[in-house]
Amino acid sequence: QVQLQQWGAGLLKPSETLSLTCAVYGGSFTGYFWSWIRQPPGKGLEWIGEINHSGNTNYNPSLERRVTISVDTPKNQLSLNLTSVTAADTGVYYCARGGLSRWGLGTLVTVSS
Amino acid sequence: DLVLTQTPLSSSVTLGQPASISCRSSQSLVHTDGNTYLSWLQQRPGQPPRLLLYKISNRLSGVPDRFSGSGAGTDFALKISRVEAGDVGVYYCVQQTQFPHPMYTFGQGTKLEI
Repeated sequence: QVQLQQWGAGLLKPSETLSLTCAVYGGSFTGYFWSWIRQPPGKGLEWIGEINHSGNTNYNPSLERRVTISVDTPKNQLSLNLTSVTAADTGVYYCARGGLSRWGLGTLVTVSS
Repeated sequence: DLVLTQTPLSSSVTLGQPASISCRSSQSLVHTDGNTYLSWLQQRPGQPPRLLLYKISNRLSGVPDRFSGSGAGTDFALKISRVEAGDVGVYYCVQQTQFPHPMYTFGQGTKLEI
């Protein structure tokens, strides 16, 4: 059974960089793209971007200027960096397998001065 | 850009009764490979989303057959034949597109209450 475990800083100040990591256990890492998705408090889902084991990425154009997704294939991990955060970046951040068939539990990130 | 519009945004249903959610796309969702990558997610309160259906009507392993999907082109629907208490939550349709750029687009979500 594939499991996705996430971690990263949960409280940031405006202008700082959000950094999260997602580790994949118990399944194939190389056969999929892996996504980051976020959800502001009480709101819907927004796709941030995706990466595969070779480092090929696709990003949401609305966030592309500030987003970098990277991969560490030997460790079965992917990471998200989002620069210059503001309060609008507050929310729960999820990693998910391609096709959205498996999700991490989510990491709450709060941006506040 | 593609927009997915769900209706209703909120629905109150009686236990044991059916429920239906509509998802309408601003453009055809038929991929160049002939498939339609329209999926449905369920998000129970306080939990991450869970994939229920993919490619319109295919249930993920473990999803009860009370859940079914239908539609084609730009109009899709999720139906729950007999609502149970554990079905409470928010349901999202989501589309994976390739053009003009690869990305996922979500509907606004429909809150299902008992």
